[in-house]
Amino acid sequence: QQPVQSPQAVILREGEDAVINCSSSKALYSVHWYRQKHGEAPVFLMILLKGGEQKGHEKISASFNEKKQQSSLYLTASQLSYSGTYFCGTESRDDYKLSFGAGTTVTVRA
Amino acid sequence: GAGVSQSPSNKVTEKGKDVELRCDPISGHTALYWYRQRLGQGLEFLIYFQGNSAPDKSGLPSDRFSAERTGESVSTLTIQRTQQEDSAVYLCASSPPPYEQYFGPGTRLTVT
Repeated sequence: QQPVQSPQAVILREGEDAVINCSSSKALYSVHWYRQKHGEAPVFLMILLKGGEQKGHEKISASFNEKKQQSSLYLTASQLSYSGTYFCGTESRDDYKLSFGAGTTVTVRA
Repeated sequence: GAGVSQSPSNKVTEKGKDVELRCDPISGHTALYWYRQRLGQGLEFLIYFQGNSAPDKSGLPSDRFSAERTGESVSTLTIQRTQQEDSAVYLCASSPPPYEQYFGPGTRLTVT
């Protein structure tokens, strides 16, 4: 089953922060985050394997709450290059198949 | 090293014709996924191959869609009797599970 992402879209000014949430109804093994720029393929950002784990990529970090089956992606001091659509992918403990959310479109303006 | 490659990059076909899309995964990656992405939409799972296990075909939208993979190498997605609603970008990704997926550049299919 597809994880649910929120918000659907967010508009930021350069330097502002944003949070993207991802939640699943299934017990999760891992959460992946990808970013897709217009006209390009999705690119891997990070994977979180353990509950409570946090990771970072540039000034983008994420947390994974295994008990709540949720993950959040934090965009800190956003840059123009952060614009794109962010997808979370969740692997359940049932089948380890990656299911993607519908995506969150982030637009960073100067 | 070489990434995931897909061919053709663009395909325009007439409604009712069959098309074949190819994916060359990264060598050594046991898992291979096919996704469909309509304009401005998310990633729609189609099919998943993992090693020699039976593929997970639960995302195929109709019996007009089929896919094959030989061992841990090339995969082919076939769409028979194409319809206009099949127009989309078809993305292939490979992975050494449970790690990240590496996406190919996609095949843009347009059915006229």
